[in-house]
Amino acid sequence: GQNIDQPTEMTATEGAIVQINCTYQTSGFNGLFWYQQHAGEAPTFLSYNVLDGLEEKGRFSSFLSRSKGYSYLLLKELQMKDSASYLCAVRFDRGSTLGRLYFGRGTQLTVWP
Amino acid sequence: KAGVTQTPRYLIKTRGQQVTLSCSPISGHRSVSWYQQTPGQGLQFLFEYFSETQRNKGNFPGRFSGRQFSNSRSEMNVSTLELGDSALYLCASSLDRGAFEQYFGPGTRLTVT
Repeated sequence: GQNIDQPTEMTATEGAIVQINCTYQTSGFNGLFWYQQHAGEAPTFLSYNVLDGLEEKGRFSSFLSRSKGYSYLLLKELQMKDSASYLCAVRFDRGSTLGRLYFGRGTQLTVWP
Repeated sequence: KAGVTQTPRYLIKTRGQQVTLSCSPISGHRSVSWYQQTPGQGLQFLFEYFSETQRNKGNFPGRFSGRQFSNSRSEMNVSTLELGDSALYLCASSLDRGAFEQYFGPGTRLTVT
């Protein structure tokens, strides 16, 4: 694998802010994705980072540091419906692997009332 | 625009049998990737097809194969099923190879008994 690591589980309360971290090996890096997956459903695209910095999209933001091989997904004003698994995925473009995504095992977020 | 469709949604097979799963990408999308998702391993890349050619293959035995048709629809086949093949099989389509956004279908839940 490509050593994509993220915490297995996290919990938070409604209205709070939670940060889900993801680390990966930097060689050949060419883009990082975050997906949300509710139980029994398909993953849905949340964000894409290829340059350093913060990308904000409503309540969700994603940050990338290429030199550190590090990203985080920030969820603000948590709602019960945000309870889901959050998947970090990385693309390493090494010719033959173009288009292939390597996924972390996902972080199961539980939001309590 | 219709999303990615996969058939069947659920399947129960016996060890030693073979199975064929189908994926219809979003209209106009030419790249189709297949993933296996299990609780223990997370999302694992199986293969990618583009223009009816396999462009990329993950670390799965030769029992796993696939193909893509001229209309971009794709099928994957698993022969000589094993208990460990029980998983959710997800198909993802994208406009082109290297396109940053992959759209996932609802998956086929395969149970091998």
